[in-house]
Amino acid sequence: AQSVTQLGSHVSVSEGALVLLRCNYSSSVPPYLFWYVQYPNQGLQLLLKYTSAATLVKGINGFEAEFKKSETSFHLTKPSAHMSDAAEYFCAVRDTGGFKTIFGAGTRLFVKA
Amino acid sequence: KAGVTQTPRYLIKTRGQQVTLSCSPISGHRSVSWYQQTPGQGLQFLFEYFSETQRNKGNFPGRFSGRQFSNSRSEMNVSTLELGDSALYLCASSLATSGAPDTQYFGPGTRLTVL
Repeated sequence: AQSVTQLGSHVSVSEGALVLLRCNYSSSVPPYLFWYVQYPNQGLQLLLKYTSAATLVKGINGFEAEFKKSETSFHLTKPSAHMSDAAEYFCAVRDTGGFKTIFGAGTRLFVKA
Repeated sequence: KAGVTQTPRYLIKTRGQQVTLSCSPISGHRSVSWYQQTPGQGLQFLFEYFSETQRNKGNFPGRFSGRQFSNSRSEMNVSTLELGDSALYLCASSLATSGAPDTQYFGPGTRLTVL
């Protein structure tokens, strides 16, 4: 069965600092991986996705993620945090046979001025 | 192109009542999925519909049901509401034009509060 694990339920960074949100996946087949962001009282917005075309994936708002098969990781990064990045971030894997998306527990990002 | 829309955005019900939530997918999208989001359980898959057929169902009691119409719009129904059903219910749509996994796009959700 496929699954994702997000390390750290809360991450706090200073404005301008590097953002690193960790995600590890478990999958017996090449995974389809996603990062979503959720702002308070809103739905999920797609940040980026990995579908085996390239290991370094660039998304919206300056975020990017690197797929590392050897480490089964798909960590999300952004070189310089903005106050507007404060939100909850979800790593997810698209189930190849069950037509559903499996989400990690989420990481809440705090950005300090 | 308009995104996924969900109505109503907020809903307050009492225990024992039933509720129907509606979801309109992005134009051209044929797959609609529903998820329940709670602080304790996170995001959990409810069910997925494609061409009016339920293709997969999560681990929820039979009180939770859904359907999809010929125009791909979907509804989900929860009967005999319990306090624990209070959650944000998210709908997502995708093209689903082939057998391969594709990207899901989410609506803003319906916040259900059960008193």
